[in-house]
Amino acid sequence: QKEVEQNSGPLSVPEGAIASLNCTYSDRGSQSFFWYRQYSGKSPELIMFIYSNGDKEDGRFTAQLNKASQYVSLLIRDSQPSDSATYLCAVILLFFNDYKLSFGAGTTVTVRA
Amino acid sequence: SQTIHQWPATLVQPVGSPLSLECTVEGTSNPNLYWYRQAAGRGLQLLFYSVGIGQISSEVPQNLSASRPQDRQFILSSKKLLLSDSGFYLCAWNRGNTEAFFGQGTRLTVV
Repeated sequence: QKEVEQNSGPLSVPEGAIASLNCTYSDRGSQSFFWYRQYSGKSPELIMFIYSNGDKEDGRFTAQLNKASQYVSLLIRDSQPSDSATYLCAVILLFFNDYKLSFGAGTTVTVRA
Repeated sequence: SQTIHQWPATLVQPVGSPLSLECTVEGTSNPNLYWYRQAAGRGLQLLFYSVGIGQISSEVPQNLSASRPQDRQFILSSKKLLLSDSGFYLCAWNRGNTEAFFGQGTRLTVV
């Protein structure tokens, strides 16, 4: 079982709609959860992180964490063409007395104008 | 503030030639360091990670090796490149359970 799993997509949404991305993780010891955005040919950039159960909002982005269900999601409201990218979910889990970063395969989002 | 430097940005190498990619982190100490490879249109493949000087964990068997000669320096090497080594190589760092940051990446084309 992969440590972090995401739907690969592509996810196509019309401009102005809400894009919903999902991520599940296998290790209940996972401590921190991140969403990265990666444009084609570029390195990933951090857009959101969440540590506690519940919702965290930052502008048009909302991260939702449910540790009981081992599930973290990202909502993009009022989607814009510039949001078209691959979104990577990442978790940090305790691994032999240190913290190890693990990524999902990414979900490709296309926002249609 | 912390920064991560990765170079070169692009590289074209012939099959059978050696490789050395370098990554350095500034503004922190004792970071965890990672090397990822990303094939075109694919997800990140973890190649190596390191929790300290001289401590390297390899995730997949391959034609590559990694070294960490200094606390904030991580080097990816190969003695003889294969065509299949082409890809986008990313260095990343994190410390503790905080967020991780990436270098700008190296696009390697083996010809």
